[in-house]
Amino acid sequence: GQSLEQPSEVTAVEGAIVQINCTYQTSGFYGLSWYQQHDGGAPTFLSYNALDGLEETGRFSSFLSRSDSYGYLLLQELQMKDSASYFCAGRDAGKSTFGDGTTLTVKP
Amino acid sequence: EPEVTQTPSHQVTQMGQEVILRCVPISNHLYFYWYRQILGQKVEFLVSFYNNEISEKSEIFDDQFSVERPDGSNFTLKIRSTKLEDSAMYFCASMGEGSRNSPLHFGNGTRLTVT
Repeated sequence: GQSLEQPSEVTAVEGAIVQINCTYQTSGFYGLSWYQQHDGGAPTFLSYNALDGLEETGRFSSFLSRSDSYGYLLLQELQMKDSASYFCAGRDAGKSTFGDGTTLTVKP
Repeated sequence: EPEVTQTPSHQVTQMGQEVILRCVPISNHLYFYWYRQILGQKVEFLVSFYNNEISEKSEIFDDQFSVERPDGSNFTLKIRSTKLEDSAMYFCASMGEGSRNSPLHFGNGTRLTVT
């Protein structure tokens, strides 16, 4: 099975940079995904790291270190619309297992 | 862009009743999933389905739950005798080729309220 830990809440100001960390304990680990969820709506895919290193997609970047069982999501140039819940999810052969989620609040 | 659709958006039922939640995955996807999210909590895996059979299920997915792909487009979750603790948002998801980089595509969910 898999278990993933991430902070429950993060607050930052508009225009800032924020990093959401995720540590995991898992067997059969393929990679780490990140999903965004607004107000209980559909989780939407942000990024996936199968290999160690940084993946960049616009304002969002994600990092994975397999040796440390650790990853993070980096959000740059924060906007008010980035206020949401962010979930890391560990991928194995059969499914993705989600962390508890981090609620990001962006303040003006 | 193709999307996963779920119906109904909200279902209210009495304890002990059967409910069927419906999903239409993205048409060329091969892997299908049900997840649930109790209000304010994390997204929990229920079951995965591939090649017309369950590939994996969680401890939550007990004998009261079943899934079916009755035709080429629909994917359903049935709860035989609902309990109060089944109240949650149920998300259907599908995935394409199954490569390690393929993302899950989620529907907008069905909010199930058991009274």
